[in-house]
Amino acid sequence: AQSVAQPEDQVNVAEGNPLTVKCTYSVSGNPYLFWYVQYPNRGLQFLLKYITGDNLVKGSYGFEAEFNKSQTSFHLKKPSALVSDSALYFCAVRDEAGGSYIPTFGRGTSLIVHP
Amino acid sequence: DAGVTQSPTHLIKTRGQQVTLRCSPKSGHDTVSWYQQALGQGPQFIFQYYEEEERQRGNFPDRFSGHQFPNYSSELNVNALLLGDSALYLCASSWVTGELFFGEGSRLTVL
Repeated sequence: AQSVAQPEDQVNVAEGNPLTVKCTYSVSGNPYLFWYVQYPNRGLQFLLKYITGDNLVKGSYGFEAEFNKSQTSFHLKKPSALVSDSALYFCAVRDEAGGSYIPTFGRGTSLIVHP
Repeated sequence: DAGVTQSPTHLIKTRGQQVTLRCSPKSGHDTVSWYQQALGQGPQFIFQYYEEEERQRGNFPDRFSGHQFPNYSSELNVNALLLGDSALYLCASSWVTGELFFGEGSRLTVL
């Protein structure tokens, strides 16, 4: 079975400071990992993904994520937060060995960037 | 290049009624998935369509049904609406690369 956890319901950070949104996962085989962002009353937007290769993945809007196999984590990061980054962030995982085409989403983390 | 489009954007129904939601996938995408997102929750997978067949289904009752057309567009039908069906219904299209491209959603309110 595949599962994903986002341990923080909310993350607060000051504008200009680095931000981290945490995600851990559980799969049987190799993970396909994704981050999505959702602005109020909008659909989800794809930010980045890890399939294989370099553990540091760069995505849209200056976001990046680091895959750590030993810690089964895929934390989302940005060196300098913007107020406009305030949104809901979802981590998702799909198990390569699971026989499913469907990713499982976390509950989401609300990121609030203060001016 | 048009992204994923959904209609209607908002609708209000009463208990027991039926609703049909529509989705056009991103150009070049052949797979359509439907999700239900309740307030404050992550998206919950309803089902996925590929080559006009339901390829996988989540833990939703048979009141939820769907269809995919030859042009890859899709419909989600919900019968005998319950108050608990009130949610944002998201359509997502994808291709072999795996990431999902979501529409803006259809906000369903059941009174």
